[in-house]
Amino acid sequence: QSALTQPPSASGSPGQSVTISCTGTSSDVGGYNYVSWYQQHPGKAPKLMIYEVTKRPSGVPDRFSGSKSGNTASLTVSGLQAEDEADYYCSSYAVNDVVFGGGTKLTVL
Amino acid sequence: QVQLVESGGGVVQPGRSLRLSCAASGFTFSNYGMHWVRQAPGKGLEWVALIWFDGSNEHYADSVKGRFTISRDNSRTTLYLQMKTLQAEDTAVYYCVRDGGSGYRLDHWGQGTLVTVSS
Repeated sequence: QSALTQPPSASGSPGQSVTISCTGTSSDVGGYNYVSWYQQHPGKAPKLMIYEVTKRPSGVPDRFSGSKSGNTASLTVSGLQAEDEADYYCSSYAVNDVVFGGGTKLTVL
Repeated sequence: QVQLVESGGGVVQPGRSLRLSCAASGFTFSNYGMHWVRQAPGKGLEWVALIWFDGSNEHYADSVKGRFTISRDNSRTTLYLQMKTLQAEDTAVYYCVRDGGSGYRLDHWGQGTLVTVSS
């Protein structure tokens, strides 16, 4: 149950694009197309932003997109807006287990 | 709309027990797996436990295995987490989370309840 690896921080100016990586192993990220991404604002509960690597729940702006290559998944936020400033966590299915990344603090400059 | 409301958190001494509850509404509770996820102060998310939609299977993180028990009462649409032998490292906000299916998609989260283990 080792945590997935995310960069601790990322940043971009309004209107720019930012990509956050999430690296696991062949037992989690690389083994299944079940990577999810969550957004968490300070003092709030996490919110599902991406599931099954690339899918967006209804209501999530299409500025948010996901992808995966091998053991590394990525979240891209395009057209950055001030309200995108938050912590982002990836997670992956693993057999009888849910593995989270350590989180990335996204700052909108 | 989906609502998940946790309760039962508070301050507890090391070695003692506590039971968390999560009242669910706005969806057919008995059709969904449910999870507990926790977050220590200033730290990241940590998955704690999962129970299948019908209560027939449970799975736990190694850090809580043998000390925590997840259960559910589908007739009361309520999820529980019984926590025993609590340690300082268990101090966290505990979230009740619905599993939307397809590879542990955690699609709805409660507001969380804070558990503080301290003497």
